[in-house]
Amino acid sequence: GAVVSQHPSRVICKSGTSVKIECRSLDFQATTMFWYRQFPKQSLMLMATSNEGSKATYEQGVEKDKFLINHASLTLSTLTVTSAHPEDSSFYICSALDFWADSGGAETQYFGPGTRLLVL
Amino acid sequence: GESVGLHLPTLSVQEGDNSIINCAYSNSASDYFIWYKQESGKGPQFIIDIRSNMDKRQGQRVTVLLNKTVKHLSLQIAATQPGDSAVYFCAENSGGSNYKLTFGKGTLLTVNP
Repeated sequence: GAVVSQHPSRVICKSGTSVKIECRSLDFQATTMFWYRQFPKQSLMLMATSNEGSKATYEQGVEKDKFLINHASLTLSTLTVTSAHPEDSSFYICSALDFWADSGGAETQYFGPGTRLLVL
Repeated sequence: GESVGLHLPTLSVQEGDNSIINCAYSNSASDYFIWYKQESGKGPQFIIDIRSNMDKRQGQRVTVLLNKTVKHLSLQIAATQPGDSAVYFCAENSGGSNYKLTFGKGTLLTVNP
């Protein structure tokens, strides 16, 4: 249980284009998901909290108009990087809260495999 | 601001030895802690968690110790195996209803055969 998937796993795009990344909870429903970005040899930095049926909550310094988040269903959240630039190249990881997971507590986040974005 | 940090950025051990990974946290309001393992190019994988009303919790080959007096968390891995090689992160939840986690810097564990 508590499996989270992401698609695509890797993507290359041209500067100025937009890229959509999907995060799915495969065998459970998730009212809350999170989006992180991670640079090489660094820790995870929370970008935003995705709430099903409502607007996402962004962390300080994260541009909400650049990183669009949509959580339209209980199993899917999407992150769209708009007008991507080379500095947006990073590893984007999502997580989901599974309140009924066999391991961990209600606060345990289960992570997807990540999406590596390269902007040329 | 308050953050979670690690004492050792890298740790190298021999196969079969026990490993200890340490983490210092500064938010005294944190009441829930998690250890994650991240292999290269993959997302973090849940290992074990502990609540602030406990000081020790054991799993399969892993033990987490919590010392609230000095705000210290550790992960012990028994009989370390090559497959344990990864980056290990501690994360804390400050108790808010938003369930947000703050991650530490990470420790790279290398297991030598």
